[in-house]
Amino acid sequence: DVKVTQSSRYLVKRTGEKVFLECVQDMDHENMFWYRQDPGLGLRLIYFSYDVKMKEKGDIPEGYSVSREKKERFSLILESASTNQTSMYLCASSTLAEVYNEQFFGPGTRLTVL
Amino acid sequence: KQEVTQIPAALSVPEGENLVLNCSFTDSAIYNLQWFRQDPGKGLTSLLLIQSSQREQTSGRLNASLDKSSGRSTLYIAASQPGDSATYLCAVRDRSDSWGKFQFGAGTQVVVTP
Repeated sequence: DVKVTQSSRYLVKRTGEKVFLECVQDMDHENMFWYRQDPGLGLRLIYFSYDVKMKEKGDIPEGYSVSREKKERFSLILESASTNQTSMYLCASSTLAEVYNEQFFGPGTRLTVL
Repeated sequence: KQEVTQIPAALSVPEGENLVLNCSFTDSAIYNLQWFRQDPGKGLTSLLLIQSSQREQTSGRLNASLDKSSGRSTLYIAASQPGDSATYLCAVRDRSDSWGKFQFGAGTQVVVTP
């Protein structure tokens, strides 16, 4: 059974802290994605990666960075957390195939920044 | 730029009634379209992926149709049950994107009343 896991379901951090969110997939997928989801704004793409050490900005990359040192692991980093980064963070993965590239999601991390 | 719309934003039906969920997109040049289910506070669960060459895809009580020329997909859920209560999202991957990114609709929140 395919699986995407995220390091924490709930996380509470203080303003200014450095925050690491980790995502691991076991499907040997090339693509990995980080989204945030907020009420009324839907899913917004922060960053994605199509290969090890490769990354591309999504729609809202400001305040975030990412790291992909191994194919199965994609990390989202908040260098200095702020209250407006309180959100649900979702990781996903898919193949690079053009037509059949079903996207699979992790359970999400609810981050609260105080 | 591809825009994905789901109307209505919310829907309530009595148990046993068939559910009809709509997804429309502005650019018909797509590789595929995917339907997801999301329970409150959880990640997205993939329901069906329809490739651009397909007209429909079925899984159990679920049936999804795709009409690329009119930019529409419909998800049918037969004989709805209270356990079908969730938010349903659609996402498209269009041919203008070489990286495998998806564009998401805002979702339709469904309540099935006993």
